[in-house]
Amino acid sequence: EIVLTQSPGTLSLSPGERATLSCRASQSVSSSSLAWYQQKPGQAPRLLIYGASSRATGIPDRFSGSGSGTDFTLTISRLEPEDFAVYYCQQYGISPPKWTFGQGTKVEIK
Amino acid sequence: EVQLVESGGGLVQPGRSLRLSCAASGFTFDDHAMHWVRQAPGKGLEWVSGISWNSGSIGYADSVKGRFTISRDNAKNSLYLQMNSLRAEDTALYYCTRVISGDYVFDYWGQGTLVTVSS
Repeated sequence: EIVLTQSPGTLSLSPGERATLSCRASQSVSSSSLAWYQQKPGQAPRLLIYGASSRATGIPDRFSGSGSGTDFTLTISRLEPEDFAVYYCQQYGISPPKWTFGQGTKVEIK
Repeated sequence: EVQLVESGGGLVQPGRSLRLSCAASGFTFDDHAMHWVRQAPGKGLEWVSGISWNSGSIGYADSVKGRFTISRDNAKNSLYLQMNSLRAEDTALYYCTRVISGDYVFDYWGQGTLVTVSS
């Protein structure tokens, strides 16, 4: 079973700063199977990145994803006030079908 | 506009059953796989179950296998989750999600329905 470990648990930054979030898999995964979601308090999660680096529809280009193998990164180039939220990485496996989430990284205002 | 509206949550005693429903609109329902994802209060996201467009492929998390059953009715644009033998650890907000056609990620989420298992 693949385990996704996100770090750090909490990231304290100021608006305008760069945020770098890490997602590490317990074994190598296909880049096409890695996604990132954003969740704000009281809201459902929103898809940001799929295929490790493709932005979902309507996602600003300050969000970018990268990585391969076991190490993946979500970067927010310049934090806007609306970007302070919890971010989850996710991986899916086909056989057997199983979807796994990381435990989340909270980006909070410093 | 894509809409996913969950219903059926509530307070239930341990060992009892509950059936969740998700009404979909704004897209061609039988073009998409659908899933349930849950979130315990103050915790992270946990995938629960998923079903392909034609119900030919179904999967469950180990934590619910044998107790939960996912199904869909394409004629009614609806997704269901039958939850039996409920436990306290099943307490969570249950989200209905749509899978991007041709991929395996969740592009639309409902607002969730809360299930509380307590005596």
